Amino acid sequence: GAVVSQHPSRVICKSGTSVKIECRSLDFQATTMFWYRQFPKKSLMLMATSNEGSKATYEQGVEKDKFLINHASLTLSTLTVTSAHPEDSSFYICSASPLAGDADTQYFGPGTRLTVL
Amino acid sequence: KNEVEQSPQNLTAQEGEFITINCSYSVGISALHWLQQHPGGGIVSLFMLSSGKKKHGRLIATINIQEKHSSLHITASHPRDSAVYICAVPNTGNQFYFGTGTSLTVIP
Repeated sequence: GAVVSQHPSRVICKSGTSVKIECRSLDFQATTMFWYRQFPKKSLMLMATSNEGSKATYEQGVEKDKFLINHASLTLSTLTVTSAHPEDSSFYICSASPLAGDADTQYFGPGTRLTVL
Repeated sequence: KNEVEQSPQNLTAQEGEFITINCSYSVGISALHWLQQHPGGGIVSLFMLSSGKKKHGRLIATINIQEKHSSLHITASHPRDSAVYICAVPNTGNQFYFGTGTSLTVIP
C-alpha cells in the first residue's frame, strides 16, 4: 500500500527557534497533502491543505505566518513552525492524497511529536 | 453536535472477544475511513469504504450510507489490537471530520 513518511519523528527545541517537519510520499505522487495537529486525548485537527505548486489553504484560526507550509514537489511537503513556543508542543501528522483535492483517499504519515521547552 | 460520533469512547475486552465500535455521521460523504492510532501516536489507515463491507484479516468494516452509520469489528481480539480507533469522514469542502476515537484495551 501507499507509504507516507515524516521526519523527524520526534523533536525537542528551545522556545523561539524554528522547526521544520518533512512529509514524503514514498511510492506515489501526492498532488494534495494535509497537515493535522493533535492535542493530547483529542482528535485530529486539520490545519491546512496544500496542493503541489500552489499556496496552502489554511483552516480558520491557524496562523499561516507561524505555520509555513511548502509543497514544492509531488512527493514532499514541509511544515515549518516558526518561533516555536511551548503552546506549539503537539503531535503533527501529515497525510497525502494521490488525487487533486481528494480527501477521500488519504494516506497518513506516522506523525511528529514536537516538544518546545 | 459533532459531525462524527463514535461509541463507545472506551472499551476493555478480554483476549479473544469479538469487538464492535460504532460510528455515526451527519454529513454527506462519499467514503469513510477507519484509522488506528497506537500508543506513541502513529496512525495507520485500516479501511476506506463507501459501501457494503470490507475485511482485512480479523478486522471487518461495514457501512450503511442510507443510515449514515459504520461499524468496525475485531474478531478474536488480541492485546496487540489495543489502540485508539478513529472514524473519519471527508466532506465536499475538502475537510476531514474525525470522531473523538475509541480507546480499546485488550487484556490477556
